[in-house]
Amino acid sequence: AQSVTQPDIHITVSEGASLELRCNYSYGATPYLFWYVQSPGQGLQLLLKYFSGDTLVQGIKGFEAEFKRSQSSFNLRKPSVHWSDAAEYFCAVVLYGGSQGNLIFGKGTKLSVKP
Amino acid sequence: KAGVTQTPRYLIKTRGQQVTLSCSPISGHRSVSWYQQTPGQGLQFLFEYFSETQRNKGNFPGRFSGRQFSNSRSEMNVSTLELGDSALYLCASSLLGTHAGGELFFGEGSRLTVL
Repeated sequence: AQSVTQPDIHITVSEGASLELRCNYSYGATPYLFWYVQSPGQGLQLLLKYFSGDTLVQGIKGFEAEFKRSQSSFNLRKPSVHWSDAAEYFCAVVLYGGSQGNLIFGKGTKLSVKP
Repeated sequence: KAGVTQTPRYLIKTRGQQVTLSCSPISGHRSVSWYQQTPGQGLQFLFEYFSETQRNKGNFPGRFSGRQFSNSRSEMNVSTLELGDSALYLCASSLLGTHAGGELFFGEGSRLTVL
């Protein structure tokens, strides 16, 4: 079955430290890949997306993600975390070219930032 | 331009009742998707409408239904409410639709509590 796995439920990092959030997917073909962020009491906001081409994609708020086909991964990174980055982060995929593709989300990783 | 608007933001119902939630997408967007978010199950896809047609449906019982109007506004209905239906219901609109990799723009959600 198609699935998205975010192995880390909760991560705590110090402000200014680097961050990497993991995401793995199980699809036979290359999907569209997304990272969304959800602040408390809010809806989700798109950070970045990968469709094709350069496997390192840049997003908003200083985030980037790298697609690695061999590892079926799409990890999110940020070189220096700010306190305002504390939120929940969701990886999502949709099967490329599917006529009825729907976005499948991982369970999310909650990020806490220590001062 | 205005974002995705969901109403009501909060509501409390009792078991057995029914509820209707409304979503107004971003102007020009023809795709509206609905998701249920709970702490245990995360974000689960309910259905997607595109130009008034249900394009895709998730694995939810028939008590969950939806529709889309000619102005792209969408409603979802849950009949015979159960305690387990307590959740944040998120609506998202998209210009292209998820099957085309379109970015989803989320509303802030309708938080339903079933007593």
